[in-house]
Amino acid sequence: DVKVTQSSRYLVKRTGEKVFLECVQDMDHENMFWYRQDPGLGLRLIYFSYDVKMKEKGDIPEGYSVSREKKERFSLILESASTNQTSMYLCASSLIGQSPLHFGNGTRLTVT
Amino acid sequence: SQQGEEDPQALSIQEGENATMNCSYKTSINNLQWYRQNSGRGLVHLILIRSNEREKHSGRLRVTLDTSKKSSSLLITASRAADTASYFCATDKKSNNDMRFGAGTRLTVKP
Repeated sequence: DVKVTQSSRYLVKRTGEKVFLECVQDMDHENMFWYRQDPGLGLRLIYFSYDVKMKEKGDIPEGYSVSREKKERFSLILESASTNQTSMYLCASSLIGQSPLHFGNGTRLTVT
Repeated sequence: SQQGEEDPQALSIQEGENATMNCSYKTSINNLQWYRQNSGRGLVHLILIRSNEREKHSGRLRVTLDTSKKSSSLLITASRAADTASYFCATDKKSNNDMRFGAGTRLTVKP
């Protein structure tokens, strides 16, 4: 069974801090995704990656960057955390394009 | 931009009743997927329907797709309290492989 692991379940950071959210998948999936989920807005795509060292912007990339140095790991970076980045962050992976996504359990980030 | 929009936003039914949720989307797609999310957890894939399919079944789930109307519906038959969750549709744009989600339908099944 595919496992997508997000390193932290809850995270509290201060405004201006650089924040790293880590995600690891164990099934050799090509694609990895970062979403944020806010009440009433559903899931919004931040960044995705089809291959190592490859990244594509989603709908809301501003204030974020990503890193995919190894196939199994996809990191989301908040360069300078702001209060409007308080949210639930969900990582997902899929085998190839159009195949089902497998999600981690999410990281609830609070920026104070 | 959101590709899919679910309707209704919230649905409350009694155990044993059927639950129907709808999804509308904007652009041509390769496939449409439905996911379930229990409170505070990640999403779990339920079912995928391809653009050339009209109906698909999986256990108590029935999904329909009408590409002419750019809409899909998810029917859960004989609902149980354990079906209480949020349900999301997700679509990929035909020119892209990334998945976009709607805001979801919150289903409550009362015992």
